Amino acid sequence: GEDVEQHPSTLSVQEGDSAVIKCTYSDSASNYFPWYKQELGKRPQLIIDIRSNVGEKKDQRIAVTLNKTAKHFSLHITETQPEDSAVYFCAASMEGSNYKLTFGKGTLLTVNP
Amino acid sequence: ETGVTQTPRHLVMGMTNKKSLKCEQHLGHNAMYWYKQSAKKPLELMFVYSLEERVENNSVPSRFSPECPNSSHLFLHLHTLQPEDSALYLCASSQDFGDEQFFGPGTRLTVL
Repeated sequence: GEDVEQHPSTLSVQEGDSAVIKCTYSDSASNYFPWYKQELGKRPQLIIDIRSNVGEKKDQRIAVTLNKTAKHFSLHITETQPEDSAVYFCAASMEGSNYKLTFGKGTLLTVNP
Repeated sequence: ETGVTQTPRHLVMGMTNKKSLKCEQHLGHNAMYWYKQSAKKPLELMFVYSLEERVENNSVPSRFSPECPNSSHLFLHLHTLQPEDSALYLCASSQDFGDEQFFGPGTRLTVL
């Protein structure tokens, strides 16, 4: 089955700096890659996603890049703010079994004021 | 409350107890999911339902028994659990497969 590796497991940055979280996946048939943010004690919420027919997607301070050849995708957060502090999860799913999201272990991002 | 709701929010049970977790979605979605979230581990998909039909049972022990009586409600019946089953159990729903999944707040389960 699909396997998703996520790095780093923890990341600490200063407010205003950029943060990058990387994920690799094992199954080349994967074609949908969402990112979820989970604040302490709250539910995971989708923040951005990308499908395999595009290489990059941006939404204000958040961007995701996808390299299908290398089977990795990354989350980029610019101008970080303290409210960006949370656990971020990447995930992947395949066409044909697109109900089945395989998640990474998560990255705890701390933005220091 | 709108969106996806779960009850109870916290549950403590003994290994011989029987309890049920409830999930309700108010979004008109067709698919519903149960996930287990343990510390230091990825979110684990347990069960998937589409229009009340179970699509996936991801090698989950039989002490967990799901039920989907209609497209808005999902239950997880628990019996003779083990301490290692202690975790946050999250319900989610999506319009259809491949669409954004909306999560509930979770039930924090502790098995003594």
